[in-house]
Amino acid sequence: AQSVTQPDIHITVSEGASLELRCNYSYGATPYLFWYVQSPGQGLQLLLKYFSGDTLVQGIKGFEAEFKRSQSSFNLRKPSVHWSDAAEYFCATHTGKLIFGQGTTLQVKP
Amino acid sequence: EAGVAQSPRYKIIEKRQSVAFWCNPISGHATLYWYQQILGQGPKLLIQFQNNGVVDDSQLPKDRFSAERLKGVDSTLKIQPAKLEDSAVYLCASSLESRGWVNTEAFFGQGTRLTVV
Repeated sequence: AQSVTQPDIHITVSEGASLELRCNYSYGATPYLFWYVQSPGQGLQLLLKYFSGDTLVQGIKGFEAEFKRSQSSFNLRKPSVHWSDAAEYFCATHTGKLIFGQGTTLQVKP
Repeated sequence: EAGVAQSPRYKIIEKRQSVAFWCNPISGHATLYWYQQILGQGPKLLIQFQNNGVVDDSQLPKDRFSAERLKGVDSTLKIQPAKLEDSAVYLCASSLESRGWVNTEAFFGQGTRLTVV
């Protein structure tokens, strides 16, 4: 059965520092992969998605993610974090149904 | 383009009462999802519709939860009777299905925050 694991429950970074949020998936074939962001009291907003092709995908708000089949990973990155990036981040996979990981809370220190 | 609409935004009920949530997906979107998101956790899929048929409801507690999608458009999710552990945000999402799953991006509503006391 498909599943998504986000190993880091909570991450704190300083404003201006780089960021990497980890995501591992479990599925026999190549899944469709997504990163969503959720600000307090808000719904989920799509940051980026991977369906096929180039394994490095660019998203909104300066985020990117890299699909690595050998590691079953789809990590989210941003070179320089802004205070407004503080939120909950969810990795998700779609192989017939859309399944989410547990989420990573990002805190940004001034 | 209008997004996914959900109502109400907030609901407080006593345990053993019933409650219903409503979702209006984006026009033309065939797939509709209901998720339960407990505080501090990721969204958990309760039920997935394609048009007015159920694709997956394996995690729907069918003894107390029910959902329907009449005419393949709007959907309602009902809980009867509610328990304390049902306190959560209930999210509705929709997506445009097409061959090859190219358009499987899901758009989410703001959610309904349910508190059971």
